[in-house]
Parts: sequence; structure tokens; C-alpha cells
Amino acid sequence: GEDVEQSLFLSVREGDSSVINCTYTDSSSTYLYWYKQEPGAGLQLLTYIFSNMDMKQDQRLTVLLNKKDKHLSLRIADTQTGDSAIYFCAALVGGSQGNLIFGKGTKLSVKP
Amino acid sequence: KAGVTQTPRYLIKTRGQQVTLSCSPISGHRSVSWYQQTPGQGLQFLFEYFSETQRNKGNFPGRFSGRQFSNSRSEMNVSTLELGDSALYLCASSRGQGVDEQYFGPGTRLTVT
Repeated sequence: GEDVEQSLFLSVREGDSSVINCTYTDSSSTYLYWYKQEPGAGLQLLTYIFSNMDMKQDQRLTVLLNKKDKHLSLRIADTQTGDSAIYFCAALVGGSQGNLIFGKGTKLSVKP
Repeated sequence: KAGVTQTPRYLIKTRGQQVTLSCSPISGHRSVSWYQQTPGQGLQFLFEYFSETQRNKGNFPGRFSGRQFSNSRSEMNVSTLELGDSALYLCASSRGQGVDEQYFGPGTRLTVT
């Protein structure tokens, strides 16, 4: 089945860019998502990308998809302390009404 | 528009007991999915209900079950609780038609002692 991998930790300085990477195994995954989880809270959908796209930009967020390498990244420009959270990559499997397979999450720490 | 609500937010149970968790989706959403989040296994899909029918199921034992009511509210039940069932249980709702954004609730933190 689908496996989604992420590095566990990332530390950056305030104002720098953050890049969180994710790899997945199922090339038939049609949609790939990025979620953010703050302490004690549920998951907040940040953005998603369809598999026929290479890039999607939404304000400070840029998603890059390399379908050949099954590699997804999330870039956060001008990272702020409020961006400190766990970021999850997820792949949609089983078609348009399938379910999400999540990575273990990357904990982003932003130092002032 | 109100978000996804889950009750209770925190729960402590003893091994062998059973528990029922509740999820109220966003108004107009007909799909509810349940996930288990633990430090070791991360987020794992339990099942999804759409229009009162289970549409997708993850790889969990039969002790985990759910149902959905005609108003789209969903309940999840775990019988014969084990220590390893201690987790954050998240539900997510969506319209359920085609590829759709899932909106998550804050979760129910279940501790089994």
C-alpha cells in the first residue's frame, strides 16, 4: 500500500524560508495535501496539489511536486514563530472517494 | 459556519471497557472520516461514512466500529479497550462528492489505564 515519508524535525530562524519534504510510493495518488497541526488542535488544511501539476503557490506557501521521483515539498516563505507546528503530508489513495494516507509529520521549530 | 465538533474532548477509561465518541460535521457535509493519531503510528485512517453507509475502511480490528445518523453526525465505538487504544481520535468532514477538502475537528483524547 501507499507509504508516505517525511523527515521528523526542521529548525529555522524567523524570516528564513522553510522547506519541508515528503516522499510517497503510490504513483496513482491523485491529490497530495499539506496539513498543519498546532499543539492540542486538530489538523488544518493548508494546501493541496493535483498530480498533473508541478507547482502551486498560495501566498507564503509554495508546493512543488516531482511526480517522477514521487517527491513533494512545501516551502514557507518568511517563516514566522506562529508557523511553529507539525506539518503533515498526505496522499489520497483509492480514487476520488478514497482515503488519506498521512506521513508521520515534520515538527517545524522557528527560532526568533 | 460552525466547524467540526467532537465530544468529549478528553476521556479516561479502564482496560476492558467500551467507549463511544461523537462527531458533528460541518453543516451540509455528508461524509465523516475517523482517524487515530498516536506518537508511534502517526495518523491512521479508521473508516469513512457517507450518507449513513460505511464507504471506506482502514486496517483496524473489529473492536473499532462506527455509524452515521441521518443528520450526518457520526459516532465511533471501541469495545474491550486495550492500553494501545490510547490516542487522539480525529474526525474530519467533507461534502463527500468527488475529491473534496476534509475539515478536521479538534479531536478526542482517549486515555486507557
